[in-house]
Amino acid sequence: GNSVTQMEGPVTLSEEAFLTINCTYTATGYPSLFWYVQYPGEGLQLLLKATKADDKGSNKGFEATYRKETTSFHLEKGSVQVSDSAVYFCALSDQSMDSSYKLIFGSGTRLLVRP
Amino acid sequence: DGGITQSPKYLFRKEGQNVTLSCEQNLNHDAMYWYRQDPGQGLRLIYYSQIVNDFQKGDIAEGYSVSREKKESFPLTVTSAQKNPTAFYLCASSETGGANTQYFGPGTRLTVL
Repeated sequence: GNSVTQMEGPVTLSEEAFLTINCTYTATGYPSLFWYVQYPGEGLQLLLKATKADDKGSNKGFEATYRKETTSFHLEKGSVQVSDSAVYFCALSDQSMDSSYKLIFGSGTRLLVRP
Repeated sequence: DGGITQSPKYLFRKEGQNVTLSCEQNLNHDAMYWYRQDPGQGLRLIYYSQIVNDFQKGDIAEGYSVSREKKESFPLTVTSAQKNPTAFYLCASSETGGANTQYFGPGTRLTVL
């Protein structure tokens, strides 16, 4: 079945460092891909998404490009801030037999940014 | 302000008791979802509903039940049959008709003593 694999954390960086969080997926068809962020004790917030191959999603300095040839959707940011410390989830949309769409999540990557 | 509300934020129950978690949305979304999150893990789908009066089991529905009597509301009952109910529960909603973005509530942390 469809699945999402994320790099294990925690990822610890100094402020202003470059961030990459790897995400690869296995899917039949052409799913949409998402990055969500979760701050401590809160629900998930959509960070960015891409709906087809070569699309680039971007938001708040974060970017990810839908790479069909490598089945990847890596999250990047050029200069992280302490406020970016959170858990980041990669997810793909999965169409069920009843034509509904469900999200399949990776296990999450914790990012810790130090001043 | 449109959004999803979940209440309460923290919930404690004794083992063997059923407990109902609330989820309300005013986004006019047809689809609603319940997920369970355990420490260090991703989200797992419990139940989902595409329309009022209809719902389907997700990947880990055993020990849970839901209802969808109103478009705005999708309560989740954690029954005594759920063997490990202590977890963080997240509700989400979305439009239907494609791979639409799911919007999440703030979550309810359930602790069974």
